[in-house]
Amino acid sequence: DMKVTQMPRYLIKRMGENVLLECGQDMSHETMYWYRQDPGLGLQLIYISYDVDSNSEGDIPKGYRVSRKKREHFSLILDSAKTNQTSVYFCASSLITGGNTGQLYFGEGSKLTVL
Amino acid sequence: KTQVEQSPQSLVVRQGENCVLQCNYSVTPDNHLRWFKQDTGKGLVSLTVLVDQKDKTSNGRYSATLDKDAKHSTLHITATLLDDTATYICVVGDRGSALGRLHFGAGTQLIVIP
Repeated sequence: DMKVTQMPRYLIKRMGENVLLECGQDMSHETMYWYRQDPGLGLQLIYISYDVDSNSEGDIPKGYRVSRKKREHFSLILDSAKTNQTSVYFCASSLITGGNTGQLYFGEGSKLTVL
Repeated sequence: KTQVEQSPQSLVVRQGENCVLQCNYSVTPDNHLRWFKQDTGKGLVSLTVLVDQKDKTSNGRYSATLDKDAKHSTLHITATLLDDTATYICVVGDRGSALGRLHFGAGTQLIVIP
């Protein structure tokens, strides 16, 4: 079954604490993404990973870092969380070959509240 | 500046009615356009992908059009059901490969009432 799984689904942290959001996919997709979704805005790309240890910054990488040590697993880390990082975070994966647009699969989101 | 604008922002229809959602964009290049459905508290689920200069797709009660000259797309939902209540998101890809960027609209919130 093609699936992107995010853990945890809900998380409450205090400002300054570290946050680890985890994402797994069972489709052997090379490319994985982390986005954040805020009310009234489109999803914003934080990081993109093209494969193991091949990560690139997206449009809003400040305050975030990522880790991809296995193809099926992609982590988003917030060192010293800030209140403006309160958001819903989505992980996605895709398999794109040649010029084909491919398919894009999203997890169900991780809602992070930073107090 | 927002490169993908969706309208209306929200829409209420009665079950069984048809509706049309609009997407205008300024993304260049515009390799492809996707429509996603997002149920409340859930992830995005792909409905369709449009690729050609003037393209049309159909997926059950969902049909979509794309006009790259006008940089405009529509999503038509016929005979709406209560389960169609969701946010519909338009996404423009500037390349056909993983190297490209996806540009997301803020979505149209559709509410279907009995």
